Amino acid sequence: GENVEQHPSTLSVQEGDSAVIKCTYSDSASNYFPWYKQELGKGPQLIIDIRSNVGEKKDQRIAVTLNKTAKHFSLHITETQPEDSAVYFCAAKTDKIIFGKGTRLHILP
Amino acid sequence: NAGVTQTPKFQVLKTGQSMTLQCAQDMNHEYMSWYRQDPGMGLRLIHYSVGAGITDQGEVPNGYNVSRSTTEDFPLRLLSAAPSQTSVYFCASSFTFSGQGNNSPLHFGNGTRLTVT
Repeated sequence: GENVEQHPSTLSVQEGDSAVIKCTYSDSASNYFPWYKQELGKGPQLIIDIRSNVGEKKDQRIAVTLNKTAKHFSLHITETQPEDSAVYFCAAKTDKIIFGKGTRLHILP
Repeated sequence: NAGVTQTPKFQVLKTGQSMTLQCAQDMNHEYMSWYRQDPGMGLRLIHYSVGAGITDQGEVPNGYNVSRSTTEDFPLRLLSAAPSQTSVYFCASSFTFSGQGNNSPLHFGNGTRLTVT
């Protein structure tokens, strides 16, 4: 079955700097790669997603890149702000969605 | 629009007790799923359903049963609770789950925190 690895598990960046979270997946049949943000006490919420026929997608300060050959995809957050502090999950989908273990992002003042 | 509603929010069980975690969605979503979240383990898929009357196992199905008699509801049953089932449980749904062009995002409930003593 699908296996999704996510790194790093914890990331601290200065406010205003960029943050990058990386994921790899194992099943070449995966065709959809969403990213979720989870705030304390709440369920995860979708922040951006990318399909396997697209290499990059951007939405304001957030971007995702996909390298199908290497089975890598990454989340990039630019100009980080305090409200970006949260846990972020990547995921890959075949017939079901499998999540990575999450990255706790701390934005330092 | 309520979205995905999970009840209860908190539950404490004794080993061997049974209970059902409820999940309901009012968005007419075909796909529904249950995840458990444990520290350092991320979100692990327990069971999922691509439509009424259809269920399938995820990554960690042992100790849990599900049914999908209606589009709206997808209850998760623990028949004999064990301390290893102490976790936060999330229900999630989406419109459809088939095909390259029909990926719609998962909508999560706010979770049920279960403690088994």
